Amino acid sequence: RKEVEQDPGPFNVPEGATVAFNCTYSNSASQSFFWYRQDCRKEPKLLMSVYSSGNEDGRFTAQLNRASQYISLLIRDSKLSDSATYLCVVSIYGGSQGNLIFGKGTKLSVKP
Amino acid sequence: SQTIHQWPATLVQPVGSPLSLECTVEGTSNPNLYWYRQAAGRGLQLLFYSVGIGQISSEVPQNLSASRPQDRQFILSSKKLLLSDSGFYLCAWTPGTGNTEAFFGQGTRLTVV
Repeated sequence: RKEVEQDPGPFNVPEGATVAFNCTYSNSASQSFFWYRQDCRKEPKLLMSVYSSGNEDGRFTAQLNRASQYISLLIRDSKLSDSATYLCVVSIYGGSQGNLIFGKGTKLSVKP
Repeated sequence: SQTIHQWPATLVQPVGSPLSLECTVEGTSNPNLYWYRQAAGRGLQLLFYSVGIGQISSEVPQNLSASRPQDRQFILSSKKLLLSDSGFYLCAWTPGTGNTEAFFGQGTRLTVV
């Protein structure tokens, strides 16, 4: 089983749509969780951290379910500029991969 | 504030030639440093990470090597490039303690011809 799994997509949605991405992780010792955004041919950039109580930043809402080892990202009122690949990232302090494990990403394409 | 510099941005190299990519971090000390590779349309593959000077962990066996000669400097090298080494190489850092976000350099797009 892969350590961090995401649906690769692509998700093709119209402007204004609500879209949800899911991510599962296998290591129960995971301690921190993030969503990154990567534009085509650019470096990944932090979109938001994911907290146990869930958190919201404008149109973006992140949820964490530790019992199910599941993370989600909800984007409301999609904009053309939201088109990108969204990476789920899990941090395991002292893990074998340094301490960050990246999912392969979910590609979102927002159409007019 | 902390910044990370990675260069060059683009590189075209012939098969069999050497490689040296450099990454430096400013504004912090004792960072964890990482080299990732991303092939076209693929996810991030961790190549090397370092928790301190001279301490390098390799995740994938290949013809690449990494060195950390100074606290905030991380170098990715190869003696002889292969066609399969083409990709987008990203340097990143995280604080040495705790679980926080990673900060990425702008990346180097390497094409081996």
